[in-house]
Formats: sequence, structure tokens, C-alpha cells
Amino acid sequence: QVQLVQSGAEVRKPGASVKVSCKASGYTLTSFDMNWVRQASGQGLEWMGWLHTNTGQTGYTQKFQGRVTMTRDTSTSTAYLELRSLTSEDTAVYYCARGAAATGTGGFDLWGQGTLVTVSS
Amino acid sequence: YELTQPPSVSVSPGQTARITCFGDALPKEYVYWYQQKPGQAPVLVIYKDTERPSGIPERISGSTSGTTVTLTISGVQAEDEADYYCQSSDSSATYWVFGGGTKLTVL
Repeated sequence: QVQLVQSGAEVRKPGASVKVSCKASGYTLTSFDMNWVRQASGQGLEWMGWLHTNTGQTGYTQKFQGRVTMTRDTSTSTAYLELRSLTSEDTAVYYCARGAAATGTGGFDLWGQGTLVTVSS
Repeated sequence: YELTQPPSVSVSPGQTARITCFGDALPKEYVYWYQQKPGQAPVLVIYKDTERPSGIPERISGSTSGTTVTLTISGVQAEDEADYYCQSSDSSATYWVFGGGTKLTVL
């Protein structure tokens, strides 16, 4: 079964870091890019950045530059999102989403179930 | 750049719902549409402006005209009530932006 399974909910204090995992199954991780998207409660989708899972190259939206790192472990077919210097504004559900350029479709054709990150003192 | 959607659209069952997405770059770049129901991850329902992934009902369609793209849902059903987001990218398809989302209410 083709799916992305994310790690469980996290609670952090302001100033801390969080690392969310996204394990791919049913397909080869390195055949598709991975994107990370977040959504605060009651708000819209916000694209954070992109990981070329084959080379490790990344691209981050300017808002998160210097505070985010996207990596992958090909041996376990897992992508990671690390976000540092957390504030209450980072409280959101974080999704990994597979980029579908390789299929000719484009967009994001497969999403993880989401990971709730709560930042609270 | 920005993509602009109306915050809400309301239709009665069986009617046609149209959700628009405006962006200056849209004549040059493809648009993708996602459906998101409460508590669930988004689902791709239209890709490359007008194409439907397998498993998406034929009553969901996309069209484009200059700087505006439209998601049309014909014969709206209660199960179509959801938030809908448009998405587009830069020319390299590596930097992405989402519209603010439109809440479709089935009266």
C-alpha cells in the first residue's frame, strides 16, 4: 500500500526544536520529491519547502530560511522536518506531501496523515 | 506571489458550485486543486488545470481563462462539503504557493 506515515503529536516549549518524521512505504522514497506543508488551526495550507530525496537538495520558503532543515534517510525510506526556535505561531499540523512531477501529474499526490505540533509554555 | 480565492461558496444539493482562483502568473503556470474535509489531509482532485486523477468523480472539473482558474462541481452532493485550495508553482515547479482556501457549504 502506497502511503506516508508520520510520527505522533509533539509538545514543545518556546525556543525549543522539533523533528517530525515521514516514512514512505509502497514506493521508492528517492523516486519522488518530498514537500512539507503546515496548517494552523482553522487556517489555510502553507507550503514550507521541498526536499529532493535523491540528492538531498532542499529549497525553503523565505519565511522559514535559517530555522528549518529537511533531510532524509534513504535506508529507512524516511523524510524529516526539523524546525528550530519554536514560538506559539508554529503551533500547527505539519504534513509531508509527495511531489508528483515524476508521474507526470504534478502537484502533491500523496499526503501523510499530519503531525500536530503544539508550542506552549 | 499570491493566489486569491473567495472565502466561501454556498450551494444547494444538485446545483453547480464554482470556486475561482486568481493569480497574475496563472496564464503561465499550472494550477492544482485540493479538497480537504475536517480532520483529514488534503486530496488532489484536479491537476494541470483541467485533469482529474483516477478515482475523482467526473462531476469535478477544472477550467482556465487567463489569470483565473475555476473548479466546478456539478450536481453538488452533501459529501462535497469541504475546504478547497488552489495551488501553483514557479516555473521550475519547486517553489509552491496555496490560495487561502474556499469553504464550500452545501445548504
